[in-house]
Amino acid sequence: EAGVVQSPRYKIIEKKQPVAFWCNPISGHNTLYWYRQNLGQGPELLIRYENEEAVDDSQLPKDRFSAERLKGVDSTLKIQPAELGDSAVYLCASSLDSDEQFFGPGTRLTVL
Amino acid sequence: GDSVTQMEGPVTLSEEAFLTINCTYTATGYPSLFWYVQYPGEGLQLLLKATKADDKGSNKGFEATYRKETTSFHLEKGSVQVSDSAVYFCALTPISGGSNYKLTFGKGTLLTVNP
Repeated sequence: EAGVVQSPRYKIIEKKQPVAFWCNPISGHNTLYWYRQNLGQGPELLIRYENEEAVDDSQLPKDRFSAERLKGVDSTLKIQPAELGDSAVYLCASSLDSDEQFFGPGTRLTVL
Repeated sequence: GDSVTQMEGPVTLSEEAFLTINCTYTATGYPSLFWYVQYPGEGLQLLLKATKADDKGSNKGFEATYRKETTSFHLEKGSVQVSDSAVYFCALTPISGGSNYKLTFGKGTLLTVNP
């Protein structure tokens, strides 16, 4: 069974540019999470979806970050415009309801 | 709020050495406790978990016991291998309030095992 797929794996952009990350969860998993992992830190939850609905986006910086999960499967996380402090690894995870979360390999973002 | 504190790394051991990575937590009630492992270039994987006091989680020779009295969940392995080299994260989820999915992670501990 395929795991959580994320792309791209690496992204380098200049500040003020937009960037988008894509996630394809494990087939059948209705719950999808986006995390941000700063260097030397553990992951921190940005947003959680149940199907198409964002049920917890309290930690998402809404001035520049947005996310969508059309049709309740794939999801995209966008940053516009990016700032230097956004450099981090962005992780996607999925689960069946609130069961074990399975993580993707992440997208490493570098903002210059 | 909930928090997890784990020992600072990096930890460097020789093959077949004994491993302990300390983890303590702050949370209300009885959270569920987890150890995740992240191998180079891969996503986080659940290594083991415990959901109530005195439970012992175990997997791949690793063990951790949920100690309510000391609010700890230390990870141990009797004989490490080179293939155990990875970053290890301690984490918890609250038991109540409708947010039992919300993982709170420690900062991670890098383990390097030399042959």
